[in-house]
Amino acid sequence: GQNIDQPTEMTATEGAIVQINCTYQTSGFNGLFWYQQHAGEAPTFLSYNVLDGLEEKGRFSSFLSRSKGYSYLLLKELQMKDSASYLCAPDGDNYGQNFVFGPGTRLSVLP
Amino acid sequence: DAGVIQSPRHEVTEMGQEVTLRCKPISGHDYLFWYRQTMMRGLELLIYFNNNVPIDDSGMPEDRFSAKMPNASFSTLKIQPSEPRDSAVYFCASSLSGTALNEQFFGPGTRLTVL
Repeated sequence: GQNIDQPTEMTATEGAIVQINCTYQTSGFNGLFWYQQHAGEAPTFLSYNVLDGLEEKGRFSSFLSRSKGYSYLLLKELQMKDSASYLCAPDGDNYGQNFVFGPGTRLSVLP
Repeated sequence: DAGVIQSPRHEVTEMGQEVTLRCKPISGHDYLFWYRQTMMRGLELLIYFNNNVPIDDSGMPEDRFSAKMPNASFSTLKIQPSEPRDSAVYFCASSLSGTALNEQFFGPGTRLTVL
């Protein structure tokens, strides 16, 4: 089975930095996805980590520690449009195609 | 490419009626997924297909739900009979195997309301 934990809600100010944590327990592990979902829209891909460490992609970075079952998404220079839910999804299936989404963290960016 | 296409975008029906949701995956993608999203349960995987063959349907809630993929460019999710607790947003997603990144591309979703 899989157990995924994320904070339910977070609030931050425009221009600030925010870190969204995700802890997970899975029977297998290939990598971990982060998806962004704006209200009323479909999830869209942000990042995929396979190896331990930090991967940076513009204002967004994602970190993974396989041994600790821990990941975080780091958002810098927050903008109003970053207000959304952020879903972590460990890829724990042997086929590498079936991954379970976490409950999501709803981020509100305030002016 | 137009991306994953779903229809209808909104569906309102009465309890007991049959509901059919439709999905057209991205051309060339060999995996297709059906998800359901509610406030209470989040985003749940219902079933997924590989090359039109169902691989894992353990997420399908009960026998009232069925999914088919008659060809590589079309899939349906059917609920018969529908119940108010089936009200949710249903997403279809597709992906391409054989790459290091198994990114899934989601359709816009179908918002189902069962009265």
